[in-house]
Amino acid sequence: AQSVTQPDIHITVSEGASLELRCNYSYGATPYLFWYVQSPGQGLQLLLKYFSGDTLVQGIKGFEAEFKRSQSSFNLRKPSVHWSDAAEYFCAVGPRGTYKYIFGTGTRLKVLA
Amino acid sequence: DVKVTQSSRYLVKRTGEKVFLECVQDMDHENMFWYRQDPGLGLRLIYFSYDVKMKEKGDIPEGYSVSREKKERFSLILESASTNQTSMYLCASRTTGGAKGEQYFGPGTRLTVT
Repeated sequence: AQSVTQPDIHITVSEGASLELRCNYSYGATPYLFWYVQSPGQGLQLLLKYFSGDTLVQGIKGFEAEFKRSQSSFNLRKPSVHWSDAAEYFCAVGPRGTYKYIFGTGTRLKVLA
Repeated sequence: DVKVTQSSRYLVKRTGEKVFLECVQDMDHENMFWYRQDPGLGLRLIYFSYDVKMKEKGDIPEGYSVSREKKERFSLILESASTNQTSMYLCASRTTGGAKGEQYFGPGTRLTVT
């Protein structure tokens, strides 16, 4: 069955430190891949997406993600975290030929001043 | 900017009540979605509409129905609310393009059923 795993429920980092949020998926072919962020009290906002081509994808707010086919992973990174990055992050997979996404369970990021 | 609005941010209803959650988008998107968000479970798709009057069941449609009479509006209906439907409900819209398209989300409605 298709699935998306975000193994870290909570992550705490200090402001200015680097960040990596993990995402693994289970799907026969390379799906469309997305990272969304949900700030407190808000809906989800798209950070970045991968369809094909260059496996390193740049997004908004200084985020990037790298697709690794051999590991079925699409990890999100940021070199220097800001306090305003505290939020919940969702990885999502869009299997090709379908209409819907499969969302991971989310990783809640806390940023220490 | 795409805007997706939901009629209420917070809603408290009693068990057995009929509940309507409304969602409106202003970008002429064909596709609209209703999700339920619960801690530790992520987002789960309740219903999807790919055009006016067209709908498909998602992963957890039991206890819910939907209505899409106009392109910009997608309503989620809880026919007889139960306590296990206490949750955050998120609406999203998307132009056509299948799973490749970006979904735009509303701010959510936190529903409490007592």
